[in-house]
Amino acid sequence: DGGITQSPKYLFRKEGQNVTLSCEQNLNHDAMYWYRQDPGQGLRLIYYSQIVNDFQKGDIAEGYSVSREKKESFPLTVTSAQKNPTAFYLCASSIGFGRGNYEQYFGPGTRLTVT
Amino acid sequence: QKEVEQNSGPLSVPEGAIASLNCTYSDRGSQSFFWYRQYSGKSPELIMSIYSNGDKEDGRFTAQLNKASQYVSLLIRDSQPSDSATYLCAVNTYNQGGKLIFGQGTELSVKP
Repeated sequence: DGGITQSPKYLFRKEGQNVTLSCEQNLNHDAMYWYRQDPGQGLRLIYYSQIVNDFQKGDIAEGYSVSREKKESFPLTVTSAQKNPTAFYLCASSIGFGRGNYEQYFGPGTRLTVT
Repeated sequence: QKEVEQNSGPLSVPEGAIASLNCTYSDRGSQSFFWYRQYSGKSPELIMSIYSNGDKEDGRFTAQLNKASQYVSLLIRDSQPSDSATYLCAVNTYNQGGKLIFGQGTELSVKP
């Protein structure tokens, strides 16, 4: 089955620790995205990648880092510099970034709790 | 002014009624419009895309786009309790590349 997987589903960390969230897709999509969702809020873009070995900051990139070494994978690291890391993190992908097809498809999400 | 605005709700409709969800956007250069459904605790699911003015129907769902008035709406006919969810409107503008701007979502509750 084609789709986007995120792991783990729930993640608990102590304040001051870095944590990496996994995102893998087998849709052969070029573009991948990371969003953050807080209760009662819409989605806010953290980072996006149009192609392998390239990525750009979104609206709220501070305290986060990403890599895109493979087309299928776009891991997100939440660093200790992120002031309010507790949130629902969503990974998405789309066929391309500038080809007129902007439909994004989401993975199941990772719920991160930092105490 | 927010780029994409939706009434947060909750919008409550009886089972079998038509639910009408609205979304307005500020950038006249917006080209592509999407509706996502998000059940509580789950990730968003794409249910409708619309690119040109007018109506687009898919089963019980109809998306309506009016670029002159800068709004897009989603109608759900014969609403079912299983339609109870938060509906997110997302908009793409030409100068944003593939990025989508999301509204805050409208919570819909369909009462049996």
